[in-house]
Amino acid sequence: GESVGLHLPTLSVQEGDNSIINCAYSNSASDYFIWYKQESGKGPQFIIDIRSNMDKRQGQRVTVLLNKTVKHLSLQIAATQPGDSAVYFCAENITGRRALTFGSGTRLQVQP
Amino acid sequence: DVKVTQSSRYLVKRTGEKVFLECVQDMDHENMFWYRQDPGLGLRLIYFSYDVKMKEKGDIPEGYSVSREKKERFSLILESASTNQTSMYLCASSLSGSNYGYTFGSGTRLTVV
Repeated sequence: GESVGLHLPTLSVQEGDNSIINCAYSNSASDYFIWYKQESGKGPQFIIDIRSNMDKRQGQRVTVLLNKTVKHLSLQIAATQPGDSAVYFCAENITGRRALTFGSGTRLQVQP
Repeated sequence: DVKVTQSSRYLVKRTGEKVFLECVQDMDHENMFWYRQDPGLGLRLIYFSYDVKMKEKGDIPEGYSVSREKKERFSLILESASTNQTSMYLCASSLSGSNYGYTFGSGTRLTVV
C-alpha cells in the first residue's frame, strides 16, 4: 500500500552544522514530493518541493534530493540555525489521488 | 495576513457531544482538506472537498462528516465525540486540480473527555 515514512523520529544537531532528514516512500506512482516545516503551535508550512523527473532541487539553505531507484527523499539544511527547530514532514502526491499523503514527521532539535 | 483560519485553537468536549470544527480560507481555493495529526502517525486525511457541496472520504472518515456550503468554508463534524478523537486537527486548502501549495491553518487541538 501507499506509505511515506521517516527513518528517524528525532534529530539533534549543533547550531551551524548541516542537517539531513530522510524519508522513504513506497508508491512508484508518486510524481511530486514536498517538504513541510511545522513550528510549535503552527500549521505546516511549505519549504521546498521536487518533481519526480528531477534528482535535486535547491532553495535558500535547503536542498531536496530524490532517489527514485530506492524510493528515498532527503532534506538537507545547511548551517542549521535555532530557528530551524521544528517538525519536518515529507509529503507525496500519488498520481490519481486527490490529496497529499504525509509521512510521520521528524523533530529537528538544534543545540546552541 | 492569515489565509486559512481555524476558529478554535483549543477545544474540550465531552464524550457523545456533537462537535463542529470550522475552517475558512480567503484565497478562493477550490480544494479544502481536513487532516488529523497524531504523534508518530503524521497527518492522516479525514475528508476533502474539491468544490462547493462536494466531498470525498479520505483515509479515516469514520466518525466524521463534513459540510461545504460555501467555497471559503469547510466544516468538520464529529457526530458523537469519542476519546479516540482527541487529536490535533489541521485544515488546508489548495487550488483546483492541484495538490501543490497546500496552505494550512494553525490547527485545532481537540480534547474529548
